[in-house]
Amino acid sequence: SQQGEEDPQALSIQEGENATMNCSYKTSINNLQWYRQNSGRGLVHLILIRSNEREKHSGRLRVTLDTSKKSSSLLITASRAADTASYFCATPTRAGAQKLVFGQGTRLTINP
Amino acid sequence: GAGVSQSPSNKVTEKGKDVELRCDPISGHTALYWYRQSLGQGLEFLIYFQGNSAPDKSGLPSDRFSAERTGGSVSTLTIQRTQQEDSAVYLCASSLDLYQETQYFGPGTRLLVL
Repeated sequence: SQQGEEDPQALSIQEGENATMNCSYKTSINNLQWYRQNSGRGLVHLILIRSNEREKHSGRLRVTLDTSKKSSSLLITASRAADTASYFCATPTRAGAQKLVFGQGTRLTINP
Repeated sequence: GAGVSQSPSNKVTEKGKDVELRCDPISGHTALYWYRQSLGQGLEFLIYFQGNSAPDKSGLPSDRFSAERTGGSVSTLTIQRTQQEDSAVYLCASSLDLYQETQYFGPGTRLLVL
């Protein structure tokens, strides 16, 4: 079944540095989404990139998508302590049915 | 309301008891989703509703799990005869409709089965 897999599983960096997380998936998609989760509770939608897009920006976030490699990356620039969280990529199973399949997530820690 | 709400926030129950988890979606959102997050399985899809209809129940782990939605709004996820492996965070999300890709998540219900 289609599944996103994040890499690395955990990342620890100093405040101010950039953080890059990667996601791979298995089947064709029409979009890929990134979510953030603080303290194991609700997820917050960060950004959505469509299959016909290669790069997208939102504030300090930059997402790329390479459909030929079935991979995406999330870059957080100028990291802050508040960015400490788990980050998940998610892909819908088929167009029109938004059953999201999530990867295992990357645990990001920003050290002051 | 301003966001998706879920109740209770935490639930501790004894093995074999039934539990009901409630989700209140964003007003006007016709699509509603239930997910479960556990240490061993990560985030997994359980069921979704479009209006009051649940076309896809394939994610429900067993027949002890059921969900309903009435009035196109509030949804209840019921787990009968709870088992320890049901311990997890149960997350609810809603979207404007099935074609709006962004899902808005509630804070979750943390269920612990002793």
